[in-house]
Amino acid sequence: DIQMTQSPSTLSASVGDRVTMTCRASQSISNWLAWYQQKPGKAPKLLMYQASTLAIGVPSRFSGSGSGTEFTLTISSLQPDDFATYYCQQYNSFWTFGPGTKVEIK
Amino acid sequence: EVQLVESGGGLVQPGGSLRLSCEGSGFDFKNYALGWVRQAPGKGLEWVSSVPYSAVNTYYADSVKGRFTISRDNSKNTLFLQLSSLRVDDTAVYYCAKGHSEGGGYWFDSWGQGSLVTVSS
Repeated sequence: DIQMTQSPSTLSASVGDRVTMTCRASQSISNWLAWYQQKPGKAPKLLMYQASTLAIGVPSRFSGSGSGTEFTLTISSLQPDDFATYYCQQYNSFWTFGPGTKVEIK
Repeated sequence: EVQLVESGGGLVQPGGSLRLSCEGSGFDFKNYALGWVRQAPGKGLEWVSSVPYSAVNTYYADSVKGRFTISRDNSKNTLFLQLSSLRVDDTAVYYCAKGHSEGGGYWFDSWGQGSLVTVSS
């Protein structure tokens, strides 16, 4: 089974900050990685797939990179609507989610 | 607009059974893979089960294999998850999600609002 880890588990930042979070896979998953955003009490929302392709309607301040086992999600200028928990998910072999990175207000 | 609406959740005793349903609209249901993802209270997301558009194969997380059964009725645009031999640690919000692929594996591009399953005596 492929295991996913994310760091940091919590990230404290201010509006306007550039933030980066990391997702690692226990074995190579090529670029078969998606990112989701979830707010409390809400369903997850797809942000990105194939590691770096923005989903429809997602603002361009979000970007993704990486391949193999290490991936990053960057928000270029944090907005009030971006405070949420972010999950990565591999879909190379079945499906596995990372434990999440919570972005909170500093 | 894609919509996925889950139903069937509730309170059940350990060892009991429940069937979740998810009705899809706004897309060609029969041509898309579908899946279930759950989230225990205060915890992260856990993939549970998936079924491709053809339903020839079905896939399960080890934690539910042999206890849960995924199925779909394309004539009714409905996805099901039969939960059996339920345990306290199956307590979670269960989300139905639509799969999308552009070659290779598929990710989940649309999600339902979730259905809460509580397993407790």
